[in-house]
Amino acid sequence: DAGVTQSPTHLIKTRGQHVTLRCSPISGHKSVSWYQQVLGQGPQFIFQYYEKEERGRGNFPDRFSARQFPNYSSELNVNALLLGDSALYLCASSLEGTSNYGYTFGSGTRLTVV
Amino acid sequence: QKEVEQDPGPLSVPEGAIVSLNCTYSNSAFQYFMWYRQYSRKGPELLMYTYSSGNKEDGRFTAQVDKSSKYISLFIRDSQPSDSATYLCACSFTGGGNKLTFGTGTQLKVEL
Repeated sequence: DAGVTQSPTHLIKTRGQHVTLRCSPISGHKSVSWYQQVLGQGPQFIFQYYEKEERGRGNFPDRFSARQFPNYSSELNVNALLLGDSALYLCASSLEGTSNYGYTFGSGTRLTVV
Repeated sequence: QKEVEQDPGPLSVPEGAIVSLNCTYSNSAFQYFMWYRQYSRKGPELLMYTYSSGNKEDGRFTAQVDKSSKYISLFIRDSQPSDSATYLCACSFTGGGNKLTFGTGTQLKVEL
């Protein structure tokens, strides 16, 4: 069975540009979460979606937005990119909406903003 | 002050050693505690999760939670070079916005 898949794996963007990151959860999983991991730090929670509804939001500016589609895949959008947005963006899925038993993470999208 | 504190290391041990990795947390609402392993350029992989205080064992790995002191530990017995990775602790609680709060991670190197 395929795990959590993310695309693209790497990309380079210029300050001020927009980026869209994509995630497909494990088959049957209805919850998708997004995390940002800056080099040398632990992942920071950005969003959680369950059954296409936003169930949680972290302390990130409005430049960050996300959505979940009927097939439970998800997109993370970041507008007006800043140098500080350079990070590994991780998608995680779970069967239900709770985080209490952990999530399965994808390998991430490494975003570099120049 | 971060809600979950973790010594970043690096921690270097010889093969076969017992490794002790630790985190402290400040939010007394945390009920669920997890350990993830992250290899370079990969996503975190869930190793173990525990609920409330107590011990949990899975093969060479043992997780301990002491809620009274807000202290969580992961022990690795008979460490192997393949255990070389960054180990992240994470905490959550019911009603906590469905998020995991991670420590910064401890980089472990097991040497031959």
